[in-house]
Amino acid sequence: SAVISQKPSRDICQRGTSLTIQCQVDSQVTMMFWYRQQPGQSLTLIATANQGSEATYESGFVIDKFPISRPNLTFSTLTVSNMSPEDSSIYLCSVVRQGIGTEAFFGQGTRLTVV
Amino acid sequence: EDQVTQSPEALRLQEGESSSLNCSYTVSGLRGLFWYRQDPGKGPEFLFTLYSAGEEKEKERLKATLTKKESFLHITAPKPEDSATYLCAVQARSGYSTLTFGKGTMLLVSP
Repeated sequence: SAVISQKPSRDICQRGTSLTIQCQVDSQVTMMFWYRQQPGQSLTLIATANQGSEATYESGFVIDKFPISRPNLTFSTLTVSNMSPEDSSIYLCSVVRQGIGTEAFFGQGTRLTVV
Repeated sequence: EDQVTQSPEALRLQEGESSSLNCSYTVSGLRGLFWYRQDPGKGPEFLFTLYSAGEEKEKERLKATLTKKESFLHITAPKPEDSATYLCAVQARSGYSTLTFGKGTMLLVSP
C-alpha cells in the first residue's frame, strides 16, 4: 500500500476565496489523481497530475478553476479557486502503484465547506 | 462511456445476517474491478481487485466475485464494525489508470 498524507483534513471557506489542498506520498509514484466526492454521489475524477507537465483534466473541469501542481514524484497540490457553495465537497488525492496490480490508494480526503 | 451501478443504495443487517452487495458495470475492455470500503470522514480503503470473470477473492468476512457483467461482495456473518460504505470501481484497459466509481452501498450492521 501507500501512505498518503492530505492536508487540510477539513476547512470552511468564504465564497470567492481559494483553498489549496496538499497531497504527500511516502514514496515516488508515477501517477497521481484528484477526485471529488459530492454528497450522495460517486467519486468523480477531476484530473491527472503529471510530473513535469500540465495536468490532464476530465470533461467538466478546467485549469482556471482547479489548478494543479506536481513538482516532484511524491507531492501534488489542488487549488479550488473562486469558491462557491457548489464546491462544497470532499476532495481526494489518489495514487496508483504499478506493481502486480494497478490498485489505487487514497488519502483521507479534505472536507470543504463553502459558506 | 464506462458505467458502474451499485445496489442496494443502503442495506441494514443484523449482526450475523449474511448478504450480498451488487455492482453492475459496463466498460470498454475491463482491466480491473475494485472494491473499496469507506468510513465516514475518511478516504476509500482498498479491499480487492478482480481481473477476470470467475475470479474470487476473500478477506475475513468478505468475498468478492466477478462475472462479465457484475461483481458481488458477499458478507458472511457481519459484525457492527463492518458498517461502512462499500464502493465499486472499474478500470478500463485503455487510457490512463483512472477509475470509474459507483455511488456505493451504505451498510449498517446492528448488534
